[in-house]
Amino acid sequence: ETGVTQSPTHLIKTRGQQVTLRCSSQSGHNTVSWYQQALGQGPQFIFQYYREEENGRGNFPPRFSGLQFPNYSSELNVNALELDDSALYLCASSLYGGAETQYFGPGTRLLVL
Amino acid sequence: GESVGLHLPTLSVQEGDNSIINCAYSNSASDYFIWYKQESGKGPQFIIDIRSNMDKRQGQRVTVLLNKTVKHLSLQIAATQPGDSAVYFCAVGDQAGTALIFGKGTTLSVSS
Repeated sequence: ETGVTQSPTHLIKTRGQQVTLRCSSQSGHNTVSWYQQALGQGPQFIFQYYREEENGRGNFPPRFSGLQFPNYSSELNVNALELDDSALYLCASSLYGGAETQYFGPGTRLLVL
Repeated sequence: GESVGLHLPTLSVQEGDNSIINCAYSNSASDYFIWYKQESGKGPQFIIDIRSNMDKRQGQRVTVLLNKTVKHLSLQIAATQPGDSAVYFCAVGDQAGTALIFGKGTTLSVSS
């Protein structure tokens, strides 16, 4: 059984650019949640996808968007990058839509210059 | 809104001691609680979870205690080892039942 994987591991972008981050869920899981973790803070919920539909969204602007594919992998897209978007972006997968038993991937470290 | 707070940002223990990490939450209707361990450069790793219909749950060397009266959650680690050194987060399921709301984390340092 493979765990949650994310790509790329690190990324450097400049302000105003767009970025796409990818996540493969754990085998058998149909739900993917995305979180942003600033340095020294706990993760903050961005949104969740359950069976290819958005299933909840946190307090993030519309320039944060996502997709989930039929194989339950997911993408996080961020447009018009700002310096404050620099963070660790975490993907978590779970068996059912909801908050329970979310397993996290290693994250993508994004630096916006 | 809902919030999760921790009592101590850092905890230092000796190898072999028992560690207790505490957490407080704001929403008395919260139903689901979970502890994660995060090592440097890695994603959070699931430790143990508990639902509101339970007061205590045990895993391997870990115990989670839930006190709904005072909205308090704790993680006990028995016989703490150097490999337990990490940041520990408690998280609570939000009212919508979708997101996890995290505290800021407690850094556990274990010296041998």
